[in-house]
Amino acid sequence: DTEVTQTPKHLVMGMTNKKSLKCEQHMGHRAMYWYKQKAKKPPELMFVYSYEKLSINESVPSRFSPECPNSSLLNLHLHALQPEDSALYLCASSLSSRGSVADTQYFGPGTRLTVL
Amino acid sequence: AQSVTQPDIHITVSEGASLELRCNYSYGATPYLFWYVQSPGQGLQLLLKYFSGDTLVQGIKGFEAEFKRSQSSFNLRKPSVHWSDAAEYFCAVGAGSGYALNFGKGTSLLVTP
Repeated sequence: DTEVTQTPKHLVMGMTNKKSLKCEQHMGHRAMYWYKQKAKKPPELMFVYSYEKLSINESVPSRFSPECPNSSLLNLHLHALQPEDSALYLCASSLSSRGSVADTQYFGPGTRLTVL
Repeated sequence: AQSVTQPDIHITVSEGASLELRCNYSYGATPYLFWYVQSPGQGLQLLLKYFSGDTLVQGIKGFEAEFKRSQSSFNLRKPSVHWSDAAEYFCAVGAGSGYALNFGKGTSLLVTP
């Protein structure tokens, strides 16, 4: 099973709202990722969690706040977003983050976010 | 710094015809190379990957790719395209640390009847 699930599939929010995106995997993977993908563009890495600790923050604005409550769950908390933050947000996971053969990243279906 | 180039933004092929999508990379050591496919509004699905060993890699859905170190290429091929193959295809290279995937800009495949 190589499934990564994401909820919700679609989210519309105003600029003053607070919302959260959720990602879940039950493959025993210890690295989890958030990517942002604008239309017709490749995914851009936002955050990496390795063994439930934040390893990489690619200079993402503080209105995006990641959280990894346990090894299977990854959240992305959203607050005071801007219309330009509208995008597809993809979660991915990999077995480890040590550059080994096991580092294939498996992606979820994404959450389509629209900020009004 | 590592980089990935997909020279073709759009490719149109007839159903049943063969397909080759190009990918060139720039990386000092032996890279980890991946091909992903993304249908509209969907996440990325892994087609195949190359880490080491046999340079011809077989993937899902009848795809294969060949790693050519001398040409810094990792082209994706399929002998006979189906209408359901219409999608966006991304080539990606993984750094030695395994953290970040460096994606190419993608190639959009259109399949005509």
